[in-house]
Amino acid sequence: DIQMTQSPSSLSASVGDRVTITCQASQDISNYLNWYQQKPGKAPKRLIYDASKLEPGVPSRFSGSGSGTDFSFTISSPQPEDIGTYYCQQYDDFPLTFGGGTKVEIK
Amino acid sequence: QVQLQESGPGLVKPSETLSLTCTVSGASISGHYWNWIRQPPGKGLEWIGYFYYGGSSDYNPSLKSRVTISVDTSKNQFSLKLTSVTAADTAVFYCARGRTAPSGTVEFDQWGQGTLVTVSS
Repeated sequence: DIQMTQSPSSLSASVGDRVTITCQASQDISNYLNWYQQKPGKAPKRLIYDASKLEPGVPSRFSGSGSGTDFSFTISSPQPEDIGTYYCQQYDDFPLTFGGGTKVEIK
Repeated sequence: QVQLQESGPGLVKPSETLSLTCTVSGASISGHYWNWIRQPPGKGLEWIGYFYYGGSSDYNPSLKSRVTISVDTSKNQFSLKLTSVTAADTAVFYCARGRTAPSGTVEFDQWGQGTLVTVSS
């Protein structure tokens, strides 16, 4: 199985700060990486696919980068509605696997 | 508009079989990959497996010996069975539609809202 190591597990940021989450794969996954946002009691919502492509309708303050084994996800200017837990997920190979999640709090 | 809705018992006894159904509306069950994903309370996400309408399936090796996913085209539903459950199987279970990803695996393009199943006597 491909292990996805995500950090940090939680963070607190002020409105307007820059937030960065990292995700490391245990082997080369090319750019086959998604980033999801999950709000309490809701299903995950995909924000980024192919490591850096923004889903239609997703605000441009969200971005992703990386390839191979090292990836990052950035919220350039977090807003109060960005609170939630963010997950990376690889789709290079089965079984599909997720990172452990990063809980984001906006002060 | 495609919608997926999970249904099934919210409480299952240890050693019994957990059975859930996902009803698909707004799209045919034909084609696509039909997935189950679970999330223990306060924890991360785990892909359980998929059934492809064409007849193939694949399961997470961690659960493979206990899982069956099947499709009922007449009802536009697909189902999950997880046998010999323990408290560690307590989770929110999501059904999700998938499509072929550029990598050849599957990417999820529609999720259900999730249903909590508690394993307890």
